[in-house]
Parts: sequence; structure tokens; C-alpha cells
Amino acid sequence: EADIYQTPRYLVIGTGKKITLECSQTMGHDKMYWYQQDPGMELHLIHYSYGVNSTEKGDLSSESTVSRIRTEHFPLTLESARPSHTSQYLCASSDPTGSRNTIYFGEGSWLTVV
Amino acid sequence: QKEVEQNSGPLSVPEGAIASLNCTYSDRGSQSFFWYRQYSGKSPELIMFIYSNGDKEDGRFTAQLNKASQYVSLLIRDSQPSDSATYLCAAGNTGGFKTIFGAGTRLFVKA
Repeated sequence: EADIYQTPRYLVIGTGKKITLECSQTMGHDKMYWYQQDPGMELHLIHYSYGVNSTEKGDLSSESTVSRIRTEHFPLTLESARPSHTSQYLCASSDPTGSRNTIYFGEGSWLTVV
Repeated sequence: QKEVEQNSGPLSVPEGAIASLNCTYSDRGSQSFFWYRQYSGKSPELIMFIYSNGDKEDGRFTAQLNKASQYVSLLIRDSQPSDSATYLCAAGNTGGFKTIFGAGTRLFVKA
């Protein structure tokens, strides 16, 4: 069972505000991910990390940024939110050893920008 | 062509029937295959994974893998209304980052 925690779960903010979505995992996984998913639509990988001080952009271009200063923590930041950023953001992690890189998801953060 | 393809559905089956969900992948380097279930408004949860050709059973779920045909399927026996969800297929390279998700198949189980 995965232990990935995301906060806030739901957030409504105004256009132009800065927001950080927090993600923490307690499994010691090196790999972490951020996915974006609109309701009823497919998952899009927007950021990932191999480990501490490693961050990479995913398949979908995103105006967000991430950091990985500690293994367990992978926050995502939007410097200036826009209505087009309204979506569900899913944090995930995986352990490539033994479990063949099985990806486990957090409960998600629903962001609404008004 | 998408790297992992699924029929978007919806697939509708009566309660108690077998639901068959299919997935094809294009990367022959893929070695690990996963099925996730996602209820509306929730995050994906892992149902099962399969690495070897053949069948793998876990309760009411059976995953089938055919690497020669690049085909993965998930059978749900004795389908229940609570199985109604979107099912995501994913293919990954062992040790790599490249885990690709399909767009998902919506399943409705009618009571």
C-alpha cells in the first residue's frame, strides 16, 4: 500500500496568485512524478524526478515548476495561476527495485483558478 | 499511434458477467504492465501487474499478457456495480522512467 500525501486536496484561488501543491511519501522511493488530469480525460506527465536534486519536464508542457530537496518531498509550484491551470494534479512515486517500477498515486489535489 | 491504446468505451456489462478490457502497446521494449482502476473524481489505484506471458489471477481479476502480439487484457469475473470505473492500462520499461498510461476504458456494470 502506498503512503503518498497531497495537500491541499481542494483549492480555489484567484488569477495571478502563487500556489504550491505539497506532496510527501514515506516509502523512501527515489522516483516521484506529477501528473495533470482533467475530469474524464487521460493522465499527462508534467514533471518527474529520479531523486534528490533531480527534476525533469514530462510529456506535457506545464508552466509549473518542481523541486526535490528531500527524497520524501516533491512540491509543485505555480508562480501565477490562470484559469487554464484548473485541473486535478496527481503526485506519484515508484520504486524500481523488485516491484518493476510500480507507480503509486496520492489522492490528488483539485485546483480551481477563478 | 499512441504508445498504449485502449478502447475508450463505455463498456457496459450486466452484473455477474465477465468484463473484458483490452490494451495494446507499441514499444517492444516494454517489460512491465499494469492495470489501474480509477473511480470518478479519485486517483488511480493499482489492481495488478504482470510481467510474463500468460495469465495472472488475483481474486476476480485475471490479467493476460501476450508479448508477441503486444497485447494485454484484464478480465473481471462476476462483475459488480462497484466495479464501474475507468480502467487504465500502463506499460513500462524495467528500471526506466518510461511508464506510459493509456487513456482508459470506462466500464459500467448494470445491476
